[in-house]
Amino acid sequence: AQSVTQPDIHITVSEGASLELRCNYSYGATPYLFWYVQSPGQGLQLLLKYFSGDTLVQGIKGFEAEFKRSQSSFNLRKPSVHWSDAAEYFCAARRGGTASKLTFGTGTRLQVML
Amino acid sequence: GAVVSQHPSRVICKSGTSVKIECRSLDFQATTMFWYRQFPKQSLMLMATSNEGSKATYEQGVEKDKFLINHASLTLSTLTVTSAHPEDSSFYICSASLAAPEGYTFGSGTRLTVV
Repeated sequence: AQSVTQPDIHITVSEGASLELRCNYSYGATPYLFWYVQSPGQGLQLLLKYFSGDTLVQGIKGFEAEFKRSQSSFNLRKPSVHWSDAAEYFCAARRGGTASKLTFGTGTRLQVML
Repeated sequence: GAVVSQHPSRVICKSGTSVKIECRSLDFQATTMFWYRQFPKQSLMLMATSNEGSKATYEQGVEKDKFLINHASLTLSTLTVTSAHPEDSSFYICSASLAAPEGYTFGSGTRLTVV
């Protein structure tokens, strides 16, 4: 069965520190991969996505993610975290095809210490 | 960019009543829309996929008669929670599939509280 796993439920980092949020997927073939951010009581905002090509993907707000086929991973990184980055982060995946449904990971809550 | 407007953002209703949530695509045509439910501090669970002009496809375990989805036009999909009960209290989010393969834009969500 298709699945997306985010091993870390909650992560706390100091402002200015680097960040890495983990994401692993289990699909028959390499899926399309996404990272979303959700602020409390809000919808989801797309940070970045990977379909093919360069395995290091740049996104908005200074985030990047690296696709590693050998590890079935798509980890999200940011070199220096800002207090405004505190939010819930979701990794998601889907098969090819325009209207394929997304499968979400369980999310990682990021807390930033000032 | 492609925007989905979801209303209401918050609603409180009495147990036994029905509530309708609307999602409108403002600047594009949404052939396919997805409805998600999110419990506090949990992930998004897909409830159903709606295609314009046809019946919605529900995920396993989702009651079709309780969560009525209508997608009568390319710009509007609605979710009606019928005979709501406190356990239906949740955060509901819609998403539209975009023509480009990257895929999706999300509404801002509806916080439903059934008292």
